[in-house]
This record gives sequence, C-alpha cells and structure tokens, in this order.
Amino acid sequence: GDSVTQMEGPVTLSEEAFLTINCTYTATGYPSLFWYVQYPGEGLQLLLKATKADDKGSNKGFEATYRKETTSFHLEKGSVQVSDSAVYFCALNRSWGKLQFGAGTQVVVTP
Amino acid sequence: SQTIHQWPATLVQPVGSPLSLECTVEGTSNPNLYWYRQAAGRGLQLLFYSVGIGQISSEVPQNLSASRPQDRQFILSSKKLLLSDSGFYLCAWSPGGVSNQPQHFGDGTRLSIL
Repeated sequence: GDSVTQMEGPVTLSEEAFLTINCTYTATGYPSLFWYVQYPGEGLQLLLKATKADDKGSNKGFEATYRKETTSFHLEKGSVQVSDSAVYFCALNRSWGKLQFGAGTQVVVTP
Repeated sequence: SQTIHQWPATLVQPVGSPLSLECTVEGTSNPNLYWYRQAAGRGLQLLFYSVGIGQISSEVPQNLSASRPQDRQFILSSKKLLLSDSGFYLCAWSPGGVSNQPQHFGDGTRLSIL
C-alpha cells in the first residue's frame, strides 16, 4: 500500500541555518504531495503542495520539489527562524481525499 | 472562505464516561470529512472519514464511532471511554468529488482520560 517515510527527529538547528527534511514515498499512480506544519498545541496547517512530477511547491520561504524518479519530496528552507520550530508532516493523497502521512519530524530552532 | 470549527478545545473525562466531540465546516458544500487521533509524540492516525450525510467509513477498529447528521457536521462519539482513548483529536475537511486536494484541519481537541 501507499506509504510515506520521513527522516526521524528531532532536528536541532541554529537560527539562520539551512533546513532539509527528507521525505520519500511509495504509491501507485501519481499522487499529489503535501507538507503540513503543526505548531505546539495546534492543528495542522498546509504549508505547500505539488500535484505532478517536477512541480515545486513553495510558501513562507519553504520549498519542495516533486521528484518522480527518486519518489521524493524533500522540504528545504534556506534560513530558519525560531518561529519555524514545529513538527513537519509529509503526506500523499489516497482515494476519497484521504491522506497518508509520514510520522512527522520535529524541528527545533535555537537563537 | 471556508472555515472549520472543533469543540471543545480541551476535555478531561473519567474512564467509562461517554464522549461527544463536534466538528462543523462553513463555506462549502458536500465536503469530505475526517477524524484523526494523534497520540503524544506520535503521528496521525485516521479514524473515520465521510463522503456524505450518513456515510461513515472506519479505518481502524476501536472504541469510537462517528456520525454525520448534517452535510457539514461531523461528530465523534464513545459510549464508554478507555484510558487508551487519550490523545489529540483532529477534524479535517477536503472538497468533495475532487481528487488531489489538500485537507484543512481544525484546531483539535485535547482529550485526557483519568
């Protein structure tokens, strides 16, 4: 079945460092891919999405490119801030609008 | 614009008591609706989803049930809560009848069972 694998956290960075969170997937067909962010005590917010191969999703300085050949959708940000501390989830869509989520990666940014 | 509301935000219940969590969506019609549970430090587990009024699909066997009495209302219930039902419950919606669309989440309900 469909699955999403994310790198384990926590990932601890200093402010202004470069962030990469790896995400790979297994799916039949060509799903849409998403990154969600969850701040402490809150629900999930859609961060960015890509619907087909080679699409690049971007938002708030974050980027991810849909790589069909490597079945990956890695999240990157060039210069993180303390306010980027959160849990990040990679996901792909399944039938009936359902999403398959990765386990989540906690990111901690220190001043 | 579309909005999703969940309540209550926090709930403390004794073991064996009933449960009712409510979720409503505004600004859209015939949405797909979802209930998730997130245990502490863990990922999301899809509990139920619904593509229409009265249509509920369960993803995992459990002590919980869901109902959709109206188009934009989704209710999560239990007759007798267990300690293992503790967690963070999230409701979400996505556009009905359209594939490849993201889900949009409510702010969640933190449920503690004593």
